Amino acid sequence: DAGITQSPRYKITETGRQVTLMCHQTWSHSYMFWYRQDLGHGLRLIYYSAAADITDKGEVPDGYVVSRSKTENFPLTLESATRSQTSVYFCASSEAERGPQHFGDGTRLSIL
Amino acid sequence: QKEVEQNSGPLSVPEGAIASLNCTYSDRGSQSFFWYRQYSGKSPELIMSIYSNGDKEDGRFTAQLNKASQYVSLLIRDSQPSDSATYLCAVNLGRNEKLTFGTGTRLTIIP
Repeated sequence: DAGITQSPRYKITETGRQVTLMCHQTWSHSYMFWYRQDLGHGLRLIYYSAAADITDKGEVPDGYVVSRSKTENFPLTLESATRSQTSVYFCASSEAERGPQHFGDGTRLSIL
Repeated sequence: QKEVEQNSGPLSVPEGAIASLNCTYSDRGSQSFFWYRQYSGKSPELIMSIYSNGDKEDGRFTAQLNKASQYVSLLIRDSQPSDSATYLCAVNLGRNEKLTFGTGTRLTIIP
């Protein structure tokens, strides 16, 4: 089925470890986004991408790295995980920069 | 000051009644407005988009936009228990800003 898929759905890791969250979309949307959702803060943009090899920082980029070598994939890497990065992470895509965004099912990440 | 503000609720509405959800935003130049529904433990689901002043209807949902007053609202008619969820307002603030989300209003429909 076409859509946007995230993996893994759940991840537990330790502080200092590197962890990569995967995002794959089959719509050929140009724009892709990574958000984190925390109680009291709502959804906050981490990074976004307008096309392959074009990425830019969002509101809370510190501690995260992204890449986009192919249009359909937009992985998010935590280079050295910290407890403050425990959150639910959502990937989204849209056809236009200011068009509606469609979300994946999310990854619940716990850092011990 | 929050840029997209919503009453966090909870908002309780009897089944069959109209639920009214409100959202205000800070930038008068904003162009795109969205409502998302998020069930507990699930991802946000787009339910309405609105770009022009006035009302836009889709089934039981009506989005209302007033750019002069900088608010956007969502009405849910004939509310059902399945409408119980958190509703997120999202706005592309200004002309070149990325989508900014409110913290959501938790809606409970009482059977």
